Amino acid sequence: AQSVTQLGSHVSVSEGALVLLRCNYSSSVPPYLFWYVQYPNQGLQLLLKYTSAATLVKGINGFEAEFKKSETSFHLTKPSAHMSDAAEYFCAVKPGGYQKVTFGTGTKLQVIP
Amino acid sequence: DAMVIQNPRYQVTQFGKPVTLSCSQTLNHNVMYWYQQKSSQAPKLLFHYYDKDFNNEADTPDNFQSRRPNTSFCFLDIRSPGLGDAAMYLCATSRGGTGADYGYTFGSGTRLTVV
Repeated sequence: AQSVTQLGSHVSVSEGALVLLRCNYSSSVPPYLFWYVQYPNQGLQLLLKYTSAATLVKGINGFEAEFKKSETSFHLTKPSAHMSDAAEYFCAVKPGGYQKVTFGTGTKLQVIP
Repeated sequence: DAMVIQNPRYQVTQFGKPVTLSCSQTLNHNVMYWYQQKSSQAPKLLFHYYDKDFNNEADTPDNFQSRRPNTSFCFLDIRSPGLGDAAMYLCATSRGGTGADYGYTFGSGTRLTVV
């Protein structure tokens, strides 16, 4: 069975500050890992994905995440927060060979002017 | 642009009155999913289709049904909506198979209100 833990249901950062959203996973087989962003009253949009190639993954809107197998982590970062980054972010895991994704409980990012 | 479209965006239904939500896709993905998302919670998978094969989650209530008449369309039927079924319903698609995974493409969702 697989699971995802997102530390911190709410994170606040100042505009221009580093964004760090934490995600730890467990999976019985090598996983695929994803970060999705959800704006209010919208569906989820794929930010980036790890699929066993490079451990540092770059995504859209300046976000990136690093897969650390030893720490079972896949934290999301962005060097400088913009107001438009305010949204909810979901980490997700999908064991290879399976069709179903398990989502974390989400982290709401607030960006303070 | 290829995409996943959900209709309607907002749906108000009466307690106990059947309601159908629709999803269409132009991506030609063979897997389609329905998720339920309540406020400030993770999306919860209700069921998915791999091609024509229907896969129900063990904890999905019988009140929820789905149809996939062809590759492009998938419907979510709620036979007798209760107040607890008020939520955002998300449709997603993906390519099947065990190779490289491209993630899901989501529609914009349908927000269901039960009155």
